[in-house]
Amino acid sequence: GAVVSQHPSWVICKSGTSVKIECRSLDFQATTMFWYRQFPKQSLMLMATSNEGSKATYEQGVEKDKFLINHASLTLSTLTVTSAHPEDSSFYICSASQTGVSNQPQHFGDGTRLSIL
Amino acid sequence: EDQVTQSPEALRLQEGESSSLNCSYTVSGLRGLFWYRQDPGKGPEFLFTLYSAGEEKEKERLKATLTKKESFLHITAPKPEDSATYLCAGTGSARQLTFGSGTQLTVLP
Repeated sequence: GAVVSQHPSWVICKSGTSVKIECRSLDFQATTMFWYRQFPKQSLMLMATSNEGSKATYEQGVEKDKFLINHASLTLSTLTVTSAHPEDSSFYICSASQTGVSNQPQHFGDGTRLSIL
Repeated sequence: EDQVTQSPEALRLQEGESSSLNCSYTVSGLRGLFWYRQDPGKGPEFLFTLYSAGEEKEKERLKATLTKKESFLHITAPKPEDSATYLCAGTGSARQLTFGSGTQLTVLP
């Protein structure tokens, strides 16, 4: 149980294009979904928290107009990287929480490797 | 500001050689301490949650323990398939998950 699917797993695109990443909870309803970014050999850095039906909460230093998050249903959240540039290249990982309660584990997708040329 | 520090950064063991990974934390109002396993190119896989000092959880060759300042992940008689990066994370009053930088474990056959 508690399976989170993330798509695509790898995307390569030209500078200036926008890229959408989907995160789905397959066997549970996710009150809260989270988006992280991970650089090589570093840990996960929280970018934003999204709750179904409301605006995402972004961490300090994360541009909300650059990283658009939509959490339209209890099983789907999307992250759109707008006008992507090479410095946006990274490993993006989503997670979902069944209850939204912070002392319950988050379940992670397998990540999206984004490469901007 | 919440902080989670893991050591060592990397650990190489022979198959069958038991050891422990350390996670030191300063998390205000700790609500949960989590251990995850991450394989290359994959997302973290949930292993354990610990809630209070003195608590222990076990799963196969892994045992996680918690004190008021640290958590340990003990690996007994590891196998090559246990090779992965092990991540520790804490959540507290700030209600967000703070991750350590991980320990990259390699178990040699």
